[in-house]
Amino acid sequence: EIVMTQSPATLSVSPGERATLSCRASQSISSDLAWYQQKAGQAPRLLIYGAFIRATGIPARFSGSGSGTEFTLTISSLQSEDSAVYYCQQFDTWPTFGGGTKVEIK
Amino acid sequence: QVHLVQSGAEVKKPGASVKVSCKASGYTFSSHYIYWVRQAPGQGLEWMGIINPGGGGTSYAPQYQDRFTMTRDTSTSTVYMEMSSLKSEDTAVYFCARVAVPGAPLSGCDLWGQGTLVTVSS
Repeated sequence: EIVMTQSPATLSVSPGERATLSCRASQSISSDLAWYQQKAGQAPRLLIYGAFIRATGIPARFSGSGSGTEFTLTISSLQSEDSAVYYCQQFDTWPTFGGGTKVEIK
Repeated sequence: QVHLVQSGAEVKKPGASVKVSCKASGYTFSSHYIYWVRQAPGQGLEWMGIINPGGGGTSYAPQYQDRFTMTRDTSTSTVYMEMSSLKSEDTAVYFCARVAVPGAPLSGCDLWGQGTLVTVSS
């Protein structure tokens, strides 16, 4: 099983500032990675797939990068509505999720 | 509009069974694989398995191979997750989710059901 480790567990960022979330795979997964946003009481929302491809309707302030074992989700200018938990998910063998990063508005 | 609509919340006793449904609409049912994902209270997301709505083939994460069964009904565009011998630790929200890329079994999910809370308690 490929283990996905996300850091930090919690990130506190002021509105308008950049938020950088990390996701590390226990072995190489090429670019087979997606990022989701989940707000309290809601289903997850796909932000990024294929490591860097923005899903339909996702604002340009969300971007993904990385390959192999190290991946990053960047929110270029944090908005109040971006307060949520963010998960990465890999797709090698069978999909597994990271533990999540909670983004708070400072 | 495209939707995945799940069945309502369930309360079951330990040892019982439950079957959660997920009805697809607004797109070609057989074109997109469906995942089931579990989220225990206050916890993260856990991938349970995948079903091909077209051919009916399934694959499960190892920890879900024994008591969990995914099926589909093409006549109603519905997929099901049946769970047997329920335990208290099965208490969770269960989501179905559509894989975004048609015909691809391994990719992100762009369409999610609203979730079904299954509570297992004596």
